[in-house]
Amino acid sequence: DIQMTQSPSSLSASVGDRVTITCRASQSISRYLNWYQQKPGKAPRVLIHAATSLQSGVPSRFSGSGSGTDFTLTISSLQPEDFATYYCQQTYSPLYTFGQGTQLEIK
Amino acid sequence: EVQLVESGGVLVQPGGSLRLSCAASGFSDWMSWVRQAPGKGLEWVANIKEDGSEKYYVDSVKGRFTISRDNAENSLYLQMNSLRVDDTAVYYCTRDKTYCSNGVCYRHIDYWGQGTLVTVSS
Repeated sequence: DIQMTQSPSSLSASVGDRVTITCRASQSISRYLNWYQQKPGKAPRVLIHAATSLQSGVPSRFSGSGSGTDFTLTISSLQPEDFATYYCQQTYSPLYTFGQGTQLEIK
Repeated sequence: EVQLVESGGVLVQPGGSLRLSCAASGFSDWMSWVRQAPGKGLEWVANIKEDGSEKYYVDSVKGRFTISRDNAENSLYLQMNSLRVDDTAVYYCTRDKTYCSNGVCYRHIDYWGQGTLVTVSS
């Protein structure tokens, strides 16, 4: 199975900061990589799909990059509503796998 | 807009069985079950192709869980047998949207249900 490793596991940042979260796959997955945001008690929502495509309705401060094994999610200027947990997911294999998550907290 | 409503989550003893259901409005595309243990991350559990001809499972549930769908009833199911304490989680039903660009098709989860809690405990 394809393993997904996110870093860091947690991150403290301030409103207005630029933040980058990374995700590494255990083998090449081309661009079959999605990013999700989850807030406490809520279902996740997709932010980025196919590594770089911004989901409709998601603010443009979110962006994704990468292909192969290394990917990044960037938030260009953190807003109060962005403090949440972020997950990457590969869909290259039909046995989808998620990263372990990155908890983004207010500094 | 697609709506997904799960049901069937209860308290069950280790070794027991349970069937989760998901009622969907708009029922094409692959569908999945994703779970989240209390305070933990997301874990993909199983998925099924539009016509039911392909099914895949995470290793930890293979041989114990069975995913199925009834397209006439717009319903997705997860039959869970030989339940273990570590199966305790909120189980989400999801729609897996296929998105094609330049001849290459990708998939992502675009709709989630509200989740149903399965607790396995004696």
